[in-house]
Amino acid sequence: EPEVTQTPSHQVTQMGQEVILRCVPISNHLYFYWYRQILGQKVEFLVSFYNNEISEKSEIFDDQFSVERPDGSNFTLKIRSTKLEDSAMYFCASTGTRDSYEQYFGPGTRLTVT
Amino acid sequence: SQKIEQNSEALNIQEGKTATLTCNYTNYSPAYLQWYRQDPGRGPVFLLLIRENEKEKRKERLKVTFDTTLKQSLFHITASQPADSATYLCALDRGTDKLIFGTGTRLQVFP
Repeated sequence: EPEVTQTPSHQVTQMGQEVILRCVPISNHLYFYWYRQILGQKVEFLVSFYNNEISEKSEIFDDQFSVERPDGSNFTLKIRSTKLEDSAMYFCASTGTRDSYEQYFGPGTRLTVT
Repeated sequence: SQKIEQNSEALNIQEGKTATLTCNYTNYSPAYLQWYRQDPGRGPVFLLLIRENEKEKRKERLKVTFDTTLKQSLFHITASQPADSATYLCALDRGTDKLIFGTGTRLQVFP
């Protein structure tokens, strides 16, 4: 069964460093998302992406964040200058078409900023 | 802003019983309401979606109801099993792309 994959599974970085989290969505899906979940808290929407552009973003997704689909398979989230409060689990998700609303999530990348 | 409350942080039930989880929301009504399962350290897994014009949806041992007047959804797992133990997340979708999640209810089914 097709699934969303994410790498790395765990990333440790120092405050102020740039990180890139990578995702490979399900191959025929068209809509892509990033969410984050701080330990013990709820899953929070960051950004949605369709047709090579951002379709919606949350207040969390400030200028330090960017997303990119550099080729036909990868979808990346970049944090330019990490802060301690960026430590969280980051989930990538994808949806097939505009008429299918269920989202398929990857296993997540645990980001630890020290 | 939209607020979503799931009835309790944790729910413990005996194997074979029906688990009922509640999701209440405020402000605007969603176009869709979705339920996901999340195991520790894993991503959410989609279970069921119900539209605003639907009252009830079933899938195997799962049932979801949606009452837009009460602004509430109920999620039922019948004949519960220890393997059903997980955190269950309610998520609202206005049909605009983003999902707004509740904090989840941790279900523990004991033998």
